[in-house]
Amino acid sequence: QQKVQQSPESLIVPEGGMASLNCTSSDRNVDYFWWYRQHSGKSPKMLMSIFSNGEKEEGRFTVHLNKASLHTSLHIRDSQPSDSALYLCAARGAGNTRKLIFGLGTTLQVQP
Amino acid sequence: SVLLYQKPNRDICQSGTSLKIQCVADSQVVSMFWYQQFQEQSLMLMATANEGSEATYESGFTKDKFPISRPNLTFSTLTVNNARPGDSSIYFCSSRKQFSNERLFFGHGTKLSVL
Repeated sequence: QQKVQQSPESLIVPEGGMASLNCTSSDRNVDYFWWYRQHSGKSPKMLMSIFSNGEKEEGRFTVHLNKASLHTSLHIRDSQPSDSALYLCAARGAGNTRKLIFGLGTTLQVQP
Repeated sequence: SVLLYQKPNRDICQSGTSLKIQCVADSQVVSMFWYQQFQEQSLMLMATANEGSEATYESGFTKDKFPISRPNLTFSTLTVNNARPGDSSIYFCSSRKQFSNERLFFGHGTKLSVL
């Protein structure tokens, strides 16, 4: 069973629109979430991280976290074709291992 | 940040052969992680490699199939033994800056095709 679940699997939004991506951990022993973006043929690059309840905004990107439900969401406003990519959510396990476990990802396509 | 250089960028090999993937960091790092990714799907953590100790493997990955060496704090090698078409994927090494918030940095990846 995938410990980090992302939805939707794929998403198409028009240029200038809002993209909303979701991620939930079924492992209660996580203490940190990351969002990575991976363009086709490239390596993943971190977009944002969050570990406190609430919201964090950086430019067009906003991340929410609800620690009680272990749910995080990424919102991209004014989406651009260059935002088209695979978005991976990662959760860090607490404790000694501190491994990052990735979800299956959401493929975002922004249509001009 | 941590810069990670992987070699080769891609490789094509015959079934049953072995190949090595090298990863070099531009600074000393405590842990290096190896991930496998099929067709831009999820990143699967294969193993964690610390200097001077045996790598710790995740479920589904074994030392016999994917031996990993970590001879010093800037270098690691992943070997794929007895390669099969099912091993065809992209392999990434990754690491984090010491004392950071544990953001992971990734190498550019090695695309392996097994015929």
